[in-house]
Amino acid sequence: DTGVSQNPRHKITKRGQNVTFRCDPISEHNRLYWYRQTLGQGPEFLTYFQNEAQLEKSRLLSDRFSAERPKGSFSTLEIQRTEQGDSAMYLCASSLGGQIHEQFFGPGTRLTVL
Amino acid sequence: AQSVTQPDIHITVSEGASLELRCNYSYGATPYLFWYVQSPGQGLQLLLKYFSGDTLVQGIKGFEAEFKRSQSSFNLRKPSVHWSDAAEYFCAVVPTTSGTYKYIFGTGTRLKVLA
Repeated sequence: DTGVSQNPRHKITKRGQNVTFRCDPISEHNRLYWYRQTLGQGPEFLTYFQNEAQLEKSRLLSDRFSAERPKGSFSTLEIQRTEQGDSAMYLCASSLGGQIHEQFFGPGTRLTVL
Repeated sequence: AQSVTQPDIHITVSEGASLELRCNYSYGATPYLFWYVQSPGQGLQLLLKYFSGDTLVQGIKGFEAEFKRSQSSFNLRKPSVHWSDAAEYFCAVVPTTSGTYKYIFGTGTRLKVLA
């Protein structure tokens, strides 16, 4: 069990550029979540996958955001035409399926939009 | 709307002193309840969880939490704080009717420990 990994750990980009983040969940976990955390706030839910199916998206996830989990393993989160308001920590978490289980979090990707 | 309140943004305690971090939720039924800790550069780590049963829950690192249905609270406690406990603590809930089990987090409490 190597835990949840996220890459890159830090990303600095200019406004208007596209960025993509990757999350590798714990191997046997079929649930995967993305959250966003801004300074002084708790993480806020963005989207959820059960295997490869994206089953819920928050209204926080504007049409500039897209997430995929093509083979039910790793996931990517892409932000197009980044804005300064997108600057945040993006957290990925995974959990087992079935009944409720705790989520295991990755270290996050810190995005800074200049 | 479902919400989680952590009324204390910052708490400072001396090493060896006791600690209580407050968490209140707003939800019609008893949700699933969690406490996580976040240290700088680290991911969120689960301290403890409550799903049902005994309302006093033991967790890692000497932490415990008590669920009080009448007060809609799930406060985190530790009898003697260590300097390494300095971090940010988040309470999270999952409504039992949630099909996705997504977390709703509080805004967090930042703990400072004085030597």
